[in-house]
Amino acid sequence: SQQGEEDPQALSIQEGENATMNCSYKTSINNLQWYRQNSGRGLVHLILIRSNEREKHSGRLRVTLDTSKKSSSLLITASRAADTASYFCATAHSGSRLTFGEGTQLTVNP
Amino acid sequence: DTEVTQTPKHLVMGMTNKKSLKCEQHMGHRAMYWYKQKAKKPPELMFVYSYEKLSINESVPSRFSPECPNSSLLNLHLHALQPEDSALYLCASSQGTLWTGPSNQPQHFGDGTRLSIL
Repeated sequence: SQQGEEDPQALSIQEGENATMNCSYKTSINNLQWYRQNSGRGLVHLILIRSNEREKHSGRLRVTLDTSKKSSSLLITASRAADTASYFCATAHSGSRLTFGEGTQLTVNP
Repeated sequence: DTEVTQTPKHLVMGMTNKKSLKCEQHMGHRAMYWYKQKAKKPPELMFVYSYEKLSINESVPSRFSPECPNSSLLNLHLHALQPEDSALYLCASSQGTLWTGPSNQPQHFGDGTRLSIL
């Protein structure tokens, strides 16, 4: 399967702490994307990192990509209760298809 | 508020009914997608339209019939569904380029239609 695998499946932290989620995949990719999904809502795109990039930042988000290890990580710094959501990585291999990982459920406690 | 609008938000239907899900975007995106999402699971791709033409059908049963009337609209026609088809149905769109492929662009999702089959 080309599907990304994420760990941990669930993560519970206190407000102000950092949260790190990891994603691994099996075959070469064009890009890797991270999405957030709040309960009962659609997915929101966070960051897209291309296969020739190693790190990208967006506000409190930092994404790294290691193509030699076929893995990526999403770091959320100084977390807030509003960051509570499910986070999915998605890999783009070719053409039109994105393949989503199983997701990490993040709970940030006030 | 999302830029992709899906209607209805909730739908309850019997197994013999015919209904349609609708999706609309005005971002000028030329790729549109239907996904199915079960509780606590990732979205599963069903169909992809690129430049109003069906480019991917992920072996979806024929009781689901997609339609793309124009570049802004995407429909999913439902007929004779089964209880296991109960799920959240998500529509998404992205900029599509014929040479790089729409998967190289971020996807914008609607909030979905929560479908329950009785």
